[in-house]
Amino acid sequence: GAGVSQSPRYKVTKRGQDVALRCDPISGHVSLYWYRQALGQGPEFLTYFNYEAQQDKSGLPNDRFSAERPEGSISTLTIQRTEQRDSAMYRCASSTLTSGEYTDTQYFGPGTRLTVL
Amino acid sequence: RKEVEQDPGPFNVPEGATVAFNCTYSNSASQSFFWYRQDCRKEPKLLMSVYSSGNEDGRFTAQLNRASQYISLLIRDSKLSDSATYLCVVNDQAGTALIFGKGTTLSVSS
Repeated sequence: GAGVSQSPRYKVTKRGQDVALRCDPISGHVSLYWYRQALGQGPEFLTYFNYEAQQDKSGLPNDRFSAERPEGSISTLTIQRTEQRDSAMYRCASSTLTSGEYTDTQYFGPGTRLTVL
Repeated sequence: RKEVEQDPGPFNVPEGATVAFNCTYSNSASQSFFWYRQDCRKEPKLLMSVYSSGNEDGRFTAQLNRASQYISLLIRDSKLSDSATYLCVVNDQAGTALIFGKGTTLSVSS
């Protein structure tokens, strides 16, 4: 079946503009995660949802970053008033329902490469 | 969140070699452990989960030592196609997010 998809794949924007990154998880996966990956680093957790409920947003770096998943499927990560330090690969992952202390396998999308000029 | 530490490498080995990667994690509450593989400019993909008893998948063997908070990956009979970055991954205390190491780069040459 189809994997996790993300759009756009590349986004170039000017400092101060808002951007919205979209993630479409694997069908039937109720847990959805956003990560940010800098060059030469592993992905870094930002936030996650079970269904439409945002369960943990402790990884969001500041209040310019927000995410939503209103119908429990597609999610949007929004960055307001972008800054050059926001430039990175933004990755979405999905899994079957995550609860308790064990984490199910997370499947990653191809990512959105964000460049802020 | 606590850290996962890996030797970044690179490990440069000939085809057929055996290579081992090690990783330590600092969060004793972690309960799920994985090795992910990431090819250049691609997304991370699960290589294998790591279980307390150790587990093997073909040429790949993973070991977990909870007391030492240490995870290892052994690759036998390396292939050119094994060239990639290998990410050591544990879950966080809440059991939700994955915490990734920086990755170890493997280059297998003919």
